Amino acid sequence: AQSVTQPDIHITVSEGASLELRCNYSYGATPYLFWYVQSPGQGLQLLLKYFSGDTLVQGIKGFEAEFKRSQSSFNLRKPSVHWSDAAEYFCAVGNSGGYQKVTFGTGTKLQVIP
Amino acid sequence: DSGVTQTPKHLITATGQRVTLRCSPRSGDLSVYWYQQSLDQGLQFLIQYYNGEERAKGNILERFSAQQFPDLHSELNLSSLELGDSALYFCASTRTGTNTEAFFGQGTRLTVV
Repeated sequence: AQSVTQPDIHITVSEGASLELRCNYSYGATPYLFWYVQSPGQGLQLLLKYFSGDTLVQGIKGFEAEFKRSQSSFNLRKPSVHWSDAAEYFCAVGNSGGYQKVTFGTGTKLQVIP
Repeated sequence: DSGVTQTPKHLITATGQRVTLRCSPRSGDLSVYWYQQSLDQGLQFLIQYYNGEERAKGNILERFSAQQFPDLHSELNLSSLELGDSALYFCASTRTGTNTEAFFGQGTRLTVV
């Protein structure tokens, strides 16, 4: 069965500092990988996705993620964090069979301090 | 704004009661997914509808049911509510039944007291 692990439940970074959120997945074939962000009181918004091709994926709001098959990882990065990035971030894994087959991680809550 | 609308935003009800949550998908999207998000379980897939038909079931309790109407809006019915049903319930929609980019509504926060 597929699974996603986000080892960091909570991360605090200073505004302007770089950010890396970790995501490890377990999946038998080439996965579809997603990062979503959930701001307080909001639904999930797609930041970026990887299906195939270039393993470095650019997303919205200045985020990027790199697919590393050898490490079963899909870490999310941002070079300089803004206070508005404070939110909860979810990594997810699925396949081409539809969204009902997407499994979400438990999330990493990001706090940004001045 | 994702284009997915959920009502109500908040709901407080007593144990044993029944509630209905409503979701309107993005214009043109045929498939609707329901999720439950709780602190201890994370985001759990409940059920999917595609163009009015049930397509897939996840971890949905027998006390819960859903349907999708001809105008493609969907309702999630929760009955015999228990304290443990308190959670955020999200709806998401996709253009087709196999499309893997979903758009989420803002959720309904259900509190059972």
